[in-house]
Amino acid sequence: GESVGLHLPTLSVQEGDNSIINCAYSNSASDYFIWYKQESGKGPQFIIDIRSNMDKRQGQRVTVLLNKTVKHLSLQIAATQPGDSAVYFCAERKRGYSTLTFGKGTMLLVSP
Amino acid sequence: DAGVIQSPRHEVTEMGQEVTLRCKPISGHDYLFWYRQTMMRGLELLIYFNNNVPIDDSGMPEDRFSAKMPNASFSTLKIQPSEPRDSAVYFCASSPLDRRATYEQYFGPGTRLTVT
Repeated sequence: GESVGLHLPTLSVQEGDNSIINCAYSNSASDYFIWYKQESGKGPQFIIDIRSNMDKRQGQRVTVLLNKTVKHLSLQIAATQPGDSAVYFCAERKRGYSTLTFGKGTMLLVSP
Repeated sequence: DAGVIQSPRHEVTEMGQEVTLRCKPISGHDYLFWYRQTMMRGLELLIYFNNNVPIDDSGMPEDRFSAKMPNASFSTLKIQPSEPRDSAVYFCASSPLDRRATYEQYFGPGTRLTVT
């Protein structure tokens, strides 16, 4: 979905389902990408990262896919749990810079 | 390690008052970032430091905002005078100089600022 006004795109899933959160990035010069999870009242927490010379990277229950052709990033969460409910942000780093540019975020709601 | 420490966690102040937000980065990290988060604008970078030196403050919205890093273990973000539109959650993050070319930033818990 697209972010409109005050509303974050929201993905609602059942516990045990697999979740896919998508992110479009804008800069073809970006060479590093990172996913963060932000729970209510907390700061963003690192989930997984990937460099532009890779297409896929796996962590514990999470996989990040990078499609440089269409400038698209996705985060797959296997066997989603209620504790995965949070806002998920993708961020990109432009080559030569020390900073990250964050996307608007997607809210994941997991119902038991 | 205690992680990035921010204080206060919540601040409520009246318009026109000075507000000072504080941050202690993770020991040994070379970079420190200040962000502002609102529903409308998301997470915005305000300023960042490398080895205590401000590198890019182009995200600071107005002259009312200023940031300092007097030493490697402390930074402040000051708003003077504060306005209701400054109400937001302010995050501090730190990052090591990582020669493996990862750019993970470690975020603090944030300060929720409300200006009435």
